[in-house]
Amino acid sequence: EDQVTQSPEALRLQEGESSSLNCSYTVSGLRGLFWYRQDPGKGPEFLFTLYSAGEEKEKERLKATLTKKESFLHITAPKPEDSATYLCAVLDSNYQLIWGAGTKLIIKP
Amino acid sequence: KAGVTQTPRYLIKTRGQQVTLSCSPISGHRSVSWYQQTPGQGLQFLFEYFSETQRNKGNFPGRFSGRQFSNSRSEMNVSTLELGDSALYLCASSRQESTDTQYFGPGTRLTVL
Repeated sequence: EDQVTQSPEALRLQEGESSSLNCSYTVSGLRGLFWYRQDPGKGPEFLFTLYSAGEEKEKERLKATLTKKESFLHITAPKPEDSATYLCAVLDSNYQLIWGAGTKLIIKP
Repeated sequence: KAGVTQTPRYLIKTRGQQVTLSCSPISGHRSVSWYQQTPGQGLQFLFEYFSETQRNKGNFPGRFSGRQFSNSRSEMNVSTLELGDSALYLCASSRQESTDTQYFGPGTRLTVL
């Protein structure tokens, strides 16, 4: 069965303390992997799409990478406004989008 | 370019009632997907519409239905509401291909009393 697992469930960091969020997947034929950011009570906001192993994308303090089994979202020198839930979704060979449960990130000033 | 809009933003209903939620996609987007999000279950896929046809369906009971109009706007309906239907209902639009990125609206917060 296709599955997407995000870890950790929650992560507390001090402002400026860099870290990584993980999204591991077991799907039949990856067609794309998506990262979103979601603030409480709001819809997810698109961050990145990755299509093949080795691909990397960057945006401000965020960098997403992809291997054949997992993706990492690296956060460099985070600020309190980076606090949010980060969601990962994988598009499988049947064009089904499978979502992870998310990682809740809290950045303390 | 305007984003995805959803109406209403908040809704309170009682058990047994029915509700209709509306979604207007980004201009030029032809695919609309609906999701239910609850704290315990995360994002659950309801259905996807493309060119007025349901292209994909999640594992929800028949009380949940949807449709798409010729201008790509979409509605979803929930009949005979249950307490467990309380959730944030999210609509996402994409250009047309299933590999295209989905862009989400702000959601409709439904509370069933």
